[in-house]
Amino acid sequence: DAGVTQSPTHLIKTRGQQVTLRCSPKSGHDTVSWYQQALGQGPQFIFQYYEEEERQRGNFPDRFSGHQFPNYSSELNVNALLLGDSALYLCASSLAGQGDEQFFGPGTRLTVL
Amino acid sequence: LAKTTQPISMDSYEGQEVNITCSHNNIATNDYITWYQQFPSQGPRFIIQGYKTKVTNEVASLFIPADRKSSTLSLPRVSLSDTAVYYCLVGKSNFGNEKLTFGTGTRLTIIP
Repeated sequence: DAGVTQSPTHLIKTRGQQVTLRCSPKSGHDTVSWYQQALGQGPQFIFQYYEEEERQRGNFPDRFSGHQFPNYSSELNVNALLLGDSALYLCASSLAGQGDEQFFGPGTRLTVL
Repeated sequence: LAKTTQPISMDSYEGQEVNITCSHNNIATNDYITWYQQFPSQGPRFIIQGYKTKVTNEVASLFIPADRKSSTLSLPRVSLSDTAVYYCLVGKSNFGNEKLTFGTGTRLTIIP
């Protein structure tokens, strides 16, 4: 049973570019959350998707957008990249309505030059 | 959401018991306390969750006093592989629907 998978593992972009990160949830999970983790900090919640809709959103600008597909996988898009967007982007999956913990993927390391 | 405070870092020798304390003075009545572990370049991993008194699983124990304003994660007989960052979170138990609020965590270093 595969856990949460994310792609790519690493990514290097330049300022102003756009990036798309991908996440496949753990088998049986229907909810996907995205987090940004800057170096030396704890993960910060970006948003959560359930039933292909954004259900909750953290304090992130509109440059950060997402999508969830019918198979529950998800994408995180970041437009007009800034140097400060350099971070580890984590995806977590869970099953809505259950009291289980969120399972995290290994993350995508994004470097903006 | 209740804010948590925990030590920035701790060192311990292999084989010892390690206790990491977290303060959460503004915890709400329906809040649970949860601890996550994170290794470098990996996502956080759930360790343990509790509401009051004591909870124990195969990995750790969680001690919560009656006033619930603090909690202590206890790791028995640590090994080098326990070197990681440990996060204390406070929030509703139904984590599948909740956004998780992480602090800066406690960086635990195990010394041979």
